Amino acid sequence: SYELTQPPSVSVSPGQTATITCSGDALAKQYVSWYQQKPGQAPVLVMYKDTERPSGIPERFSGSSSGTTVSLTVSGVQAEDEADYYCQSADTIGTPVVFGGGTKLTVL
Amino acid sequence: QVPPVQSGPEVKKPGSSVKLSCKASGGTLSDYVVAWVRQAPGQGLEWMGGIIPLYGSTSYAQNFQDRVTITADESTATSYLDLTSLTSDDTAVYYCARGVALMAATSVWYFDLWGPGTLVTVAS
Repeated sequence: SYELTQPPSVSVSPGQTATITCSGDALAKQYVSWYQQKPGQAPVLVMYKDTERPSGIPERFSGSSSGTTVSLTVSGVQAEDEADYYCQSADTIGTPVVFGGGTKLTVL
Repeated sequence: QVPPVQSGPEVKKPGSSVKLSCKASGGTLSDYVVAWVRQAPGQGLEWMGGIIPLYGSTSYAQNFQDRVTITADESTATSYLDLTSLTSDDTAVYYCARGVALMAATSVWYFDLWGPGTLVTVAS
């Protein structure tokens, strides 16, 4: 089955830039969304269509895409950004939803 | 935007079934897709399947195709997840999520509104 690969963890100090990657064979042809999930809470959409930021999501969140790797960047990381982040896309044979394994962002 | 309202926690015996509900708050399901995603304790998000209520068409993850049925009742703006043959591995929080279907190489969904989740515990 199709897989999306994320690093298990990323650590940054407050004010620094965190970049979380998501790799998959189909990502050059499919859109990626990103979700933030804090402990005990439901996921929240923070990026869709690779680079589109939903209303209410701070401008320090941005997305980019290069070939089969898509990235979520958090500039000027704040303590409140500490959370699990999941990328999500689709395969090319009809499965409209595939999640990456998740990345734990730790703010040191 | 108001999150969907999900049904309350469930405790089930192995081998039994569970039916969960997800009601859109003050809106309609017709303009969206609805997905069910679960999260076992300490684990990541796992897509189970979804429905496009306007057409009644469903899509299921391969891991659940034999055990899950997702339906939607547009008159009450409610989606249902029916999961059979429960085992302890099905202990998880089950989320419903409202989303949008995009077309790229094939259809790809994303979810802008999530319910709070329903805890299902399977234990003897």
